[in-house]
Amino acid sequence: AQSVSQHNHHVILSEAASLELGCNYSYGGTVNLFWYVQYPGQHLQLLLKYFSGDPLVKGIKGFEAEFIKSKFSFNLRKPSVQWSDTAEYFCAVKRGRATSGTYKYIFGTGTRLKVLA
Amino acid sequence: EAGVTQFPSHSVIEKGQTVTLRCDPISGHDNLYWYRRVMGKEIKFLLHFVKESKQDESGMPNNRFLAERTGGTYSTLKVQPAELEDSGVYFCASSQDFLAGLETQYFGPGTRLLVL
Repeated sequence: AQSVSQHNHHVILSEAASLELGCNYSYGGTVNLFWYVQYPGQHLQLLLKYFSGDPLVKGIKGFEAEFIKSKFSFNLRKPSVQWSDTAEYFCAVKRGRATSGTYKYIFGTGTRLKVLA
Repeated sequence: EAGVTQFPSHSVIEKGQTVTLRCDPISGHDNLYWYRRVMGKEIKFLLHFVKESKQDESGMPNNRFLAERTGGTYSTLKVQPAELEDSGVYFCASSQDFLAGLETQYFGPGTRLLVL
């Protein structure tokens, strides 16, 4: 079945450690890719997105993601995490047909990141 | 600019009862989406409105769920009668310019529904 996979369900890091969260999707053709974050008690917020062009996308708060088409991956990275990065991170793929006007986001199961101070 | 708002933030009901969730999108956003996250699972698409029209309701679980968006502004999602498996967090999101392909969805805080 077509899906979005986030292999790391829980990640625990110390402050200043580097972060990489995996995201793989199984859809062919053109995809738009997103990473969302949900901080404790807050709503989902967009971290970054890829539509086209440079496969290395930079987002807010020092996050970046690299789209590797051959690997169907869109991994999220941050060189040095902070305690405030503790949150749940979601990868999403936008799928749809422009002609019919139907779009939907397919989300992964999320990765809970805990950063120890 | 106000974000997407949802009401209520929490709802606890008994099996068989009816619950209505409300979503107010960002002003001017024609697209409105409903999603649901059952504990520990992925966020699943339920349906998509463009203004007052249902563009895609392929994710609605069954006919106990009814979504409306009269007038193309706020939307309601009614569950009647509620079952235990309906428990979860219901998210609403809105966006504009989806035909341009540059759409970004903005999410509300979600409504936590617990069916006992």
